[in-house]
Amino acid sequence: QSALTQPASVSGSPGQSITISCTGTSNDVGGYDYVSWYQQYPGKAPRLMIFGVNNRPSGVSNRFSGSKSGNTASLTISGLRAEDEADYYCCSHTSTGTYVFGTGTRVSVL
Amino acid sequence: EMQLVESGGGLVQPGGSLRLSCTASGFTFSSFWMSWVRQAPGKGLEWVANIKQDGTEKNFVDSVEGRFSISRDNAKNSLYLQMNSLRAEDTAIYYCAKYHLSHFDCWGQGNLVTVSS
Repeated sequence: QSALTQPASVSGSPGQSITISCTGTSNDVGGYDYVSWYQQYPGKAPRLMIFGVNNRPSGVSNRFSGSKSGNTASLTISGLRAEDEADYYCCSHTSTGTYVFGTGTRVSVL
Repeated sequence: EMQLVESGGGLVQPGGSLRLSCTASGFTFSSFWMSWVRQAPGKGLEWVANIKQDGTEKNFVDSVEGRFSISRDNAKNSLYLQMNSLRAEDTAIYYCAKYHLSHFDCWGQGNLVTVSS
């Protein structure tokens, strides 16, 4: 049950696009299309941003998109805005019926 | 509007016990798997446990197996986490979360548990 691997930080200028990777194994990310992404502001509860690899819940901007290739999932934020500055976590179902989160990525808007 | 409200956190000594509660509203609680997720101070999210709609299936992260138990009362729209033999490394904010299909689509506000002498 090791955490999925994410970069500790990613930064970009307003208007740019950034991509956050989330690497697991064939027992989690690579084995299921059950990858979700969460945004978390300091002191707040996580908020669902992407589910089922590449689906957005209602109310989430279409600037957020997800994808997956093999054992690595990715979250892309296009047209970066100051309000996107937050921590982002991926999550996957696993072969043992449990769930595993990523290590988390701090997004900074320069 | 879906809502989850946790309660029961606080300060407990190492080796002690604590029971967290989570009350749901705005959705049919008995129709969904529910989970507990925690976050140690300054750290990332960690899934802790989940329970099936009727309580017949439960799963735990290895680090709490045998010490924590999860239960639910669908008549009261409530989820519980009984935490025994608590350790300093269990110190965290504990969130209850509703699971739907492939993701956690509703989270509580979080409840701080501090294990310290």
